[in-house]
Amino acid sequence: EAQVTQNPRYLITVTGKKLTVTCSQNMNHEYMSWYRQDPGLGLRQIYYSMNVEVTDKGDVPEGYKVSRKEKRNFPLILESPSPNQTSLYFCASSLSGGAYEQYFGPGTRLTVT
Amino acid sequence: DAKTTQPPSMDCAEGRAANLPCNHSTISGNEYVYWYRQIHSQGPQYIIHGLKNNETNEMASLIITEDRKSSTLILPHATLRDTAVYYCIVRVANRGSTLGRLYFGRGTQLTVWP
Repeated sequence: EAQVTQNPRYLITVTGKKLTVTCSQNMNHEYMSWYRQDPGLGLRQIYYSMNVEVTDKGDVPEGYKVSRKEKRNFPLILESPSPNQTSLYFCASSLSGGAYEQYFGPGTRLTVT
Repeated sequence: DAKTTQPPSMDCAEGRAANLPCNHSTISGNEYVYWYRQIHSQGPQYIIHGLKNNETNEMASLIITEDRKSSTLILPHATLRDTAVYYCIVRVANRGSTLGRLYFGRGTQLTVWP
């Protein structure tokens, strides 16, 4: 089954403790992306990747890092999480950046205390 | 990317057609109209897209006006599981584009009642 998976689905952590949210897709997609969703602000793009070793900032990249060492994986790294990064995070992938359809993962709800 | 305007909420009786409008008066000639939906904090789900002509798939129909300044998503026989936030998005779609981001506005909360 074609899908985007994220882990963990829920995470509660403390300020400053490094964490990684994994994202994997099994569709051989070139394009992958991370969004965060906050009440009243909608979904905003954090980082995206056009292909292996090619990443770029989205609209709200501060406080996040990403890497794309393999085509299928696109982890989101929070080196020193802060409470304002408490949010619902979605990973998405598509055949290419300009593709019609993007597939979204189930989401990761992160709470930073 | 062109801006879109959608009503914040709509209701529909189960089994009836749900017609969700979207205004995109500043749309450019090479921008497509996309519809996604999000069911209660799940990942958004692609529904349909179109450029000029009306489109239909197994989920919905998309009607785009001749001047392309507005469109309507039609769910022909709404079910309770169609209760979701529906997002209308306009953007360019070409293979080489680096602009893969989707700008989700506030969308329309569709509630289907029994």
